[in-house]
Amino acid sequence: QKEVEQDPGPLSVPEGAIVSLNCTYSNSAFQYFMWYRQYSRKGPELLMYTYSSGNKEDGRFTAQVDKSSKYISLFIRDSQPSDSATYLCAMRRNSGTYKYIFGTGTRLKVLA
Amino acid sequence: SQTIHQWPATLVQPVGSPLSLECTVEGTSNPNLYWYRQAAGRGLQLLFYSVGIGQISSEVPQNLSASRPQDRQFILSSKKLLLSDSGFYLCAWSSGSGSLAQYFGPGTRLLVL
Repeated sequence: QKEVEQDPGPLSVPEGAIVSLNCTYSNSAFQYFMWYRQYSRKGPELLMYTYSSGNKEDGRFTAQVDKSSKYISLFIRDSQPSDSATYLCAMRRNSGTYKYIFGTGTRLKVLA
Repeated sequence: SQTIHQWPATLVQPVGSPLSLECTVEGTSNPNLYWYRQAAGRGLQLLFYSVGIGQISSEVPQNLSASRPQDRQFILSSKKLLLSDSGFYLCAWSSGSGSLAQYFGPGTRLLVL
């Protein structure tokens, strides 16, 4: 079993829809959670960064962490064609390692 | 603010040739530095990371090596490239203290023919 599981998609939604992207993980020691957006042939861009549980909002993006269920989500409101990209989740323990564990990414297509 | 640079952006090399990819970070001191490879349609594979000058940890035994000659410089090398070395190489950094968010460079696309 992989430490982090992420549905590869593709996920196709109409413009203006609310998008829900998710990752599950198995290691309860993860404390830091990140979401990245990666356009084709570009490096991943950090979108959201959260520590431990709870919600964090930034514009149209909301990140949610449920440590009891080992489940993290990224919500995109009022999705735009420019949101079409691959979204990667990543996580890390608080100590004892310098390594980040990534999901394989979900490809999102927002249709105009 | 912090900036991470990678070059070259694209590289086409013959099998058996050497490789040197460079990554530099600006606007921060003593960062943790990382090299990843991303194959088409696959996730990120951690190759090397470094927590200080001259300190390199290798994650995958392979044809590649890494060096950190200066605090904010990270180099990925190979003496003889293989076809399987083709891919998208990403450098990343995170702070040595405080926020543990990780930031990526623009990447180098390597094609070995």
